[in-house]
Amino acid sequence: RKEVEQDPGPFNVPEGATVAFNCTYSNSASQSFFWYRQDCRKEPKLLMSVYSSGNEDGRFTAQLNRASQYISLLIRDSKLSDSATYLCVVTPFRSSNTGKLIFGQGTTLQVKP
Amino acid sequence: DVKVTQSSRYLVKRTGEKVFLECVQDMDHENMFWYRQDPGLGLRLIYFSYDVKMKEKGDIPEGYSVSREKKERFSLILESASTNQTSMYLCASSRDRALNTQYFGPGTRLTVL
Repeated sequence: RKEVEQDPGPFNVPEGATVAFNCTYSNSASQSFFWYRQDCRKEPKLLMSVYSSGNEDGRFTAQLNRASQYISLLIRDSKLSDSATYLCVVTPFRSSNTGKLIFGQGTTLQVKP
Repeated sequence: DVKVTQSSRYLVKRTGEKVFLECVQDMDHENMFWYRQDPGLGLRLIYFSYDVKMKEKGDIPEGYSVSREKKERFSLILESASTNQTSMYLCASSRDRALNTQYFGPGTRLTVL
């Protein structure tokens, strides 16, 4: 079983739609969680961290459910510029002092006019 | 702004050649990482380093070695390139072991013929 699992998609949505991605992780001891964004032929960049209480950054909302071991990303009012691959990222077991991260394979979002 | 640079965007090599991929970061980061990214497999960690002359194996170190002689530079070496090492190679750095945000370089697309 992969440590981080995501539906690769693609998710095709019209502009203005609300779209949600889920991600599950296998290790209940993971401590930190993130969403990274990767544009086509570009490098991944941090989109937002995910906190236990949930957090929002403009049109983006991230949630963490530790009991079920999943993380979600909600994008409201989708823009064409949101088209990208969204990578779910967690810290692996016993990694608190290494800085290592485990990346999911990503979910591709295509926002259509 | 953190800047991570990689020596080449595109590289074509022949089977059996020794290949050097260079990565430089300008933010005095302690941690540096080498990943490869393949369709359907996502980002996989090859090696990482948390200090000069220190290195740790990642998930797929076979066929690779690394060198970190200076804090800002982390080199990935393919001792004898093989066709299954054709991939996108991404370098990343992070400030230290406690802070997990990783900053990526633009990537090197390596083709081994």
